[in-house]
Amino acid sequence: EVQLVESGGGLVQPGGSLRLSCAASGFTFSSYWMTWVRLSPGKGLEWVANINPDGSAHYYVDSVKGRFTISRDNAKSSLYLQVNSLRADDTALYYCARALYTGNSDLGYWGQGTLVTVSS
Amino acid sequence: QSVLTQPASVSGSPGQSITISCTGTSSDVGGYDFVSWYQQHPGKVPKLLIYGVTKWPSGVSSRFSGSKSGNTASLTISGLQVDDEADYYCFSYARGGTFLFGGGTKVTVL
Repeated sequence: EVQLVESGGGLVQPGGSLRLSCAASGFTFSSYWMTWVRLSPGKGLEWVANINPDGSAHYYVDSVKGRFTISRDNAKSSLYLQVNSLRADDTALYYCARALYTGNSDLGYWGQGTLVTVSS
Repeated sequence: QSVLTQPASVSGSPGQSITISCTGTSSDVGGYDFVSWYQQHPGKVPKLLIYGVTKWPSGVSSRFSGSKSGNTASLTISGLQVDDEADYYCFSYARGGTFLFGGGTKVTVL
């Protein structure tokens, strides 16, 4: 069974940093594109970033470029999102998601999310 | 990067069919056969309903169907059920390796 478990969220002041983690199990992690998506209060889903299976390619939504970094450790079956220079509008539930199939980027499996709250 | 345009809300009675539109541009929805749809109940994790414009993942009801014409994709829910009351989001590839969600549509079952 595919399982994705996020952690690392919390309350942080504006300008602060966090490292979000997503522990994967139940599948060959190194074969799949992985993605971070966030759900902001009162807003909809937003695609944040994704990374290819070997970690050599990654892409970001414009609003987080230069502030967020996606990475993965295939040996540990883990996905990460380093979030720096946090702003109030980064407050959201952050989900990690796995592609439905290898070589595909549809978001077939989701974790439960980790909550990031940016407030002074 | 702009959000894909969806109606804020759509409603229907049990048994009816409803359609949710998702309008983008030739740089996203219209340029690729990569549109998917997600259902999210309050407090729950999003669920993939349709991928590749028209395909169903295993276990998803055929009451949900997808289509695309030009820069607009659509999700049709047939035989509307009470449990279909949720938020629905379209999702598209948007060139340069990036992706976009629609703004979301709240479906109400009257």
